[in-house]
Amino acid sequence: GAVVSQHPSWVICKSGTSVKIECRSLDFQATTMFWYRQFPKQSLMLMATSNEGSKATYEQGVEKDKFLINHASLTLSTLTVTSAHPEDSSFYICSADRQDPREQYFGPGTRLTVT
Amino acid sequence: AQSVTQLGSHVSVSEGALVLLRCNYSSSVPPYLFWYVQYPNQGLQLLLKYTSAATLVKGINGFEAEFKKSETSFHLTKPSAHMSDAAEYFCAVSGGSNYKLTFGKGTLLTVNP
Repeated sequence: GAVVSQHPSWVICKSGTSVKIECRSLDFQATTMFWYRQFPKQSLMLMATSNEGSKATYEQGVEKDKFLINHASLTLSTLTVTSAHPEDSSFYICSADRQDPREQYFGPGTRLTVT
Repeated sequence: AQSVTQLGSHVSVSEGALVLLRCNYSSSVPPYLFWYVQYPNQGLQLLLKYTSAATLVKGINGFEAEFKKSETSFHLTKPSAHMSDAAEYFCAVSGGSNYKLTFGKGTLLTVNP
């Protein structure tokens, strides 16, 4: 099956710093990628839809200036958590939308811990 | 608008027993429905999906689900549980082909030897 990778798989950063997470579709092109956030023992919450070559679409309640999304190529989307705080600690998962055949593939996730 | 309700945050079965994980949905348009499995600290793996074709959908690892429009349900079943089935299971809905997924809260399946 198709493969989506995320890097890093885990990261620890200090409060106030910024962290960039990469999401790559390794064997197909994805004009659309999605970013999710998952708190411990909870479901995935969609944060934003990342569209190649255009601005991301953020879900209600998600701060676009805090969670910067860039989808500069058909195989790479990045999520930058700016001025991170301990409450941003979470598991971040991306997915890439393949068109033919149509299916959404998930990355393995990135565990962010802000100290 | 769409939503998913998974009944039972935790289901425990014995190895070899029937697995039944419940999912009810609401959608303002004909839905696409999905079941995903998540192992600890990993991403999601698609088990099966319903996209308006056959109402009984067979997936990987012996799982299947039946779309019942009248009951707005898409329950996941497996005839005989295996220890390796222990994981978190998520039901998800999208409004047709836009593939923007709304997830249920998840059901943790434990399998007892």
